[in-house]
Amino acid sequence: QVQLIQSASELKKPGASVKVSCQASGYSLRNYAVNWVRQAPGQGPEWMGRITTNAGDPTYAQGFIGRFVFSLDTSTSTAYLEINNLKAEDTALYFCAREMLVSAPSDYYYYMDVWGTGTTVTVSS
Amino acid sequence: QSVLTQSPSASGTPGQRVTISCSGSSSNVGSHYVFWYQQVTGTAPKVLIYRTDQRPSGVPDRFSGSKSGTSASLAISGLRSEDEADYFCAAWDASLSGWVFGGGTKLTVL
Repeated sequence: QVQLIQSASELKKPGASVKVSCQASGYSLRNYAVNWVRQAPGQGPEWMGRITTNAGDPTYAQGFIGRFVFSLDTSTSTAYLEINNLKAEDTALYFCAREMLVSAPSDYYYYMDVWGTGTTVTVSS
Repeated sequence: QSVLTQSPSASGTPGQRVTISCSGSSSNVGSHYVFWYQQVTGTAPKVLIYRTDQRPSGVPDRFSGSKSGTSASLAISGLRSEDEADYFCAAWDASLSGWVFGGGTKLTVL
């Protein structure tokens, strides 16, 4: 069964750092990129970016450049999201998601087909 | 503010048909596939529709997707109590070079 298991909820103070893990189960992490999505309370999802799992090449969406870092540990099939200098507005539910590539003779596209269990990060003094 | 626009809420009685809309622009919905996700509060989103109108195996045929111009729709027929959840749309945005999402529609089964 394909799953992405994320780490437990975190409560942090402003200015601290947090590292969220996302472990792949039932498939090889190396074969699919990992996307990260933030969902603030009462808001729709927001794409943070992605990391390729063959080269470990990250792409950050606007608004997530600087304090956010994507990384991998392929030996444990785990992707990581690190947020530095936490702010109150970082309080949200964070998801990792597998990126599926569908390739056909006349068409190809990507989409997020399997999502992680989610990790709530709360930033409060 | 989400890039794709959805009504915040929708409702229906068991057996009814409801439609949830997703409005975008030429750089996203108008030129790329639309994907729909179902999310029970606090849990992982699940793919309901991919490639605008395709259902993954295991998703009942009560769920269907369509698109016209820069607007997409998710229709749910034969509404059931277990359909009560949040639904959001997603599409690639060529101008932003990234994924954009709708704000989500909370479906209540009365």
